[in-house]
Amino acid sequence: AQTVTQSQPEMSVQEAETVTLSCTYDTSENNYYLFWYKQPPSRQMILVIRQEAYKQQNATENRFSVNFQKAAKSFSLKISDSQLGDTAMYFCAFMKHVRSGNTGKLIFGQGTTLQVKP
Amino acid sequence: DAGVTQSPTHLIKTRGQHVTLRCSPISGHKSVSWYQQVLGQGPQFIFQYYEKEERGRGNFPDRFSARQFPNYSSELNVNALLLGDSALYLCASRWGSVATGELFFGEGSRLTVL
Repeated sequence: AQTVTQSQPEMSVQEAETVTLSCTYDTSENNYYLFWYKQPPSRQMILVIRQEAYKQQNATENRFSVNFQKAAKSFSLKISDSQLGDTAMYFCAFMKHVRSGNTGKLIFGQGTTLQVKP
Repeated sequence: DAGVTQSPTHLIKTRGQHVTLRCSPISGHKSVSWYQQVLGQGPQFIFQYYEKEERGRGNFPDRFSARQFPNYSSELNVNALLLGDSALYLCASRWGSVATGELFFGEGSRLTVL
């Protein structure tokens, strides 16, 4: 069974600085997808960034980038130039590839609460 | 365009009662998933439906059931409520069944069981 672990329950960062959120996962699959989702206090979960395991290149979306280490089963999220609006809970999630019997199920980590301070 | 909408947003029930939660996906999305998020934890997968058929089920007891209607909206039903069922129930939709397309979440229904 797949598991996702986020070992940092809470983190804080000063506005305009950079912060990295950690995520490790366990799977025997070779092809899969990894995601970072953001859940602001209003509760609606929003996709931040997605990485496909077969792609070597790390995904980047504006101020958000990932460090994907497949062998180490590590998938960290880096937020550059942190903004007050980045304050939220962040979840790392795993999904099997469609060829591995993917039912569309996302497996989430426990989450990291990020506080951006002015 | 409207996002994923869920109702009710908040509700309080007592142990042993039944609850029905409703979800309307984004227009054009044919797949609906349900997740349970207990306070302070990550969401746990309950069900996925596509074209009115169940395509996946998480590790939840038979007290949990769901269905999808011809207009792709969905209901989640929970019978014989327990205190441990208190949680935020999230509905999410995507265009395809197991597509890698983005999963869009609603704001959730907060269920409190007393």
